[in-house]
Amino acid sequence: KNEVEQSPQNLTAQEGEFITINCSYSVGISALHWLQQHPGGGIVSLFMLSSGKKKHGRLIATINIQEKHSSLHITASHPRDSAVYICAVRTLGRLYFGRGTQLTVWP
Amino acid sequence: NAGVTQTPKFQVLKTGQSMTLQCAQDMNHEYMSWYRQDPGMGLRLIHYSVGAGITDQGEVPNGYNVSRSTTEDFPLRLLSAAPSQTSVYFCASSYARWGMNSPLHFGNGTRLTVT
Repeated sequence: KNEVEQSPQNLTAQEGEFITINCSYSVGISALHWLQQHPGGGIVSLFMLSSGKKKHGRLIATINIQEKHSSLHITASHPRDSAVYICAVRTLGRLYFGRGTQLTVWP
Repeated sequence: NAGVTQTPKFQVLKTGQSMTLQCAQDMNHEYMSWYRQDPGMGLRLIHYSVGAGITDQGEVPNGYNVSRSTTEDFPLRLLSAAPSQTSVYFCASSYARWGMNSPLHFGNGTRLTVT
């Protein structure tokens, strides 16, 4: 049983397209994280959310606590956005991770 | 501010050998954790700690040992390496207190190969 489900698993887009990655979870959480991992690279934190919406540049993250769902949006996508995007939720004691969404943006 | 320092970056072991992966953070984070990342599996929790002297098992703890004698350090020990432990290992830390908003900080990863 996966406490965190992400969709889609793989996503291909053309440069400039609007992209949405979804995350659903089944546990009570204190926060939800969106992470980015480039090929062969480390993992960096993009957002931490406990309610509402956050925006950093072209990236927007939203969360609906009642529906236990979060979305990560990328506006005007660019090839440098190609990476694996990972959703993680924090409970009192630990973190649960989704399996990640592999995004490829073509020029 | 170094963040999370993870060493080594690469390691090759023979079956049966033991080794310790080091993880240190300088942000006074209570929560520290170890993950392994395998193709198609995502990040899987090995062990975690919510403070010095407190550790607990994650999803895949077998074959690994941890201790947390200080807030800063959280080493992961492979007791007798097996080929199934070939993976990329990540250490991560954050604050753990309820309601404390804290991003996750990851080390750069250790690529381990067991032959």
